[in-house]
Amino acid sequence: GENVEQHPSTLSVQEGDSAVIKCTYSDSASNYFPWYKQELGKRPQLIIDIRSNVGEKKDQRIAVTLNKTAKHFSLHITETQPEDSAVYFCAASGRTSGSARQLTFGSGTQLTVLP
Amino acid sequence: GAVVSQHPSRVICKSGTSVKIECRSLDFQATTMFWYRQFPKQSLMLMATSNEGSKATYEQGVEKDKFLINHASLTLSTLTVTSAHPEDSSFYICSASDGTQPQHFGDGTRLSIL
Repeated sequence: GENVEQHPSTLSVQEGDSAVIKCTYSDSASNYFPWYKQELGKRPQLIIDIRSNVGEKKDQRIAVTLNKTAKHFSLHITETQPEDSAVYFCAASGRTSGSARQLTFGSGTQLTVLP
Repeated sequence: GAVVSQHPSRVICKSGTSVKIECRSLDFQATTMFWYRQFPKQSLMLMATSNEGSKATYEQGVEKDKFLINHASLTLSTLTVTSAHPEDSSFYICSASDGTQPQHFGDGTRLSIL
């Protein structure tokens, strides 16, 4: 099945700097790659996603890049702010179950933005 | 946007009790619902996938007799943790899909077994 690896596990940056989180996946059939932000005790919140037919997507301070050949994708946050501090998870769509594809999550990155 | 309601948000109960968690899609038809478990400082681990009207598909290592899943309608799936023990204490999160991505997550249920 799908295996998703995520690095780093913790990341501290100064406010205003950029943060980059990287993930690799194993299943070449995966075609959907979302990124989630999760605050303590809360649900994962989708912040950006990318499908395999594009290489890059941007939404204000957040961007995601995808390299299908190398099977890796990255999250880029620019001009970081203290409220960006949270755990971030990457995910990849894996096996199909009925009408929807399952997601496999990375292990998470604790991002801390220092004021 | 799509809303998924999950109840209860917090459960504290004695060992041996069975606990039912509900997951409802409020404004779309959820043909597929996913149940995840998340231990502290860990990732979301898929427990099972349920398609409306079909038996749930469980991930390897998840006991189907302990974690009973019912998906009887296009808006409701339930997870029942039978004879819960302290090691079942965790954060349980459902998500729902109408067949497209993204999935829509519930708020999660914090289960604490004493």
